[in-house]
Amino acid sequence: EVQLVESGGGLVKPGESLRLSCAASGFTFSNAWMSWVRQAPGKGLEWVGRIKLKTDGETTEFAAPVKGRFTISRDDSKNTVYLQMNNLKTEDTAVYYCTTDTPFLYFFDFWGQGALVTVSS
Amino acid sequence: SYDLTQTFSVSVALGQTAKITCVGNNIGGKHVHWYQQKPGQAPVLVIYRDTKRPSGIPERYSASNSGNTATLTISRAQAGDEADFYCQVWDGSTVVFGGGTKLTVL
Repeated sequence: EVQLVESGGGLVKPGESLRLSCAASGFTFSNAWMSWVRQAPGKGLEWVGRIKLKTDGETTEFAAPVKGRFTISRDDSKNTVYLQMNNLKTEDTAVYYCTTDTPFLYFFDFWGQGALVTVSS
Repeated sequence: SYDLTQTFSVSVALGQTAKITCVGNNIGGKHVHWYQQKPGQAPVLVIYRDTKRPSGIPERYSASNSGNTATLTISRAQAGDEADFYCQVWDGSTVVFGGGTKLTVL
């Protein structure tokens, strides 16, 4: 059974940083693209970014609103993907979901339960 | 940027057929994926690559994609189908989600 478990959410002030982790199990993590998708309170889904495989150079891609502020990394030895969020803004407040990502079709077949990030002064 | 437009809400009588649309410029030329999200839960993939159902998704869920409109069809609607539904595409440079449709089963 595929499991994705996010951790690291919390309350931070604008301008601060936070790192989310996503521990994966039930599939061959090293063969999986991984993405982060977020959902602001009462709003729709918004893709944040993805990381490809080690054999792809762990290439990352990001949505425009977070480009330059967020980074994604992976540790295949720990079956874990990370979302480093810097210079957080109030508009980054959302539930952040870790997802598996399907190469070249770009859909998200498995989702974690989400981690809430609140950015407020 | 590429936009996907979904009707804000759709209502369907119990046992009837619901259709949820996703409108985008020449969306028929892209692969469309659909997600169901129930309150307080993570989204679940219900349709991928326009028409394909992941394992565990009932046959009552089907979809089509042509021209400027993709459609998710839920046959014999049940109370448990009440949820928000999102369409999604890759526009060549970024992932795009529709705004979501709230399905109410009456």
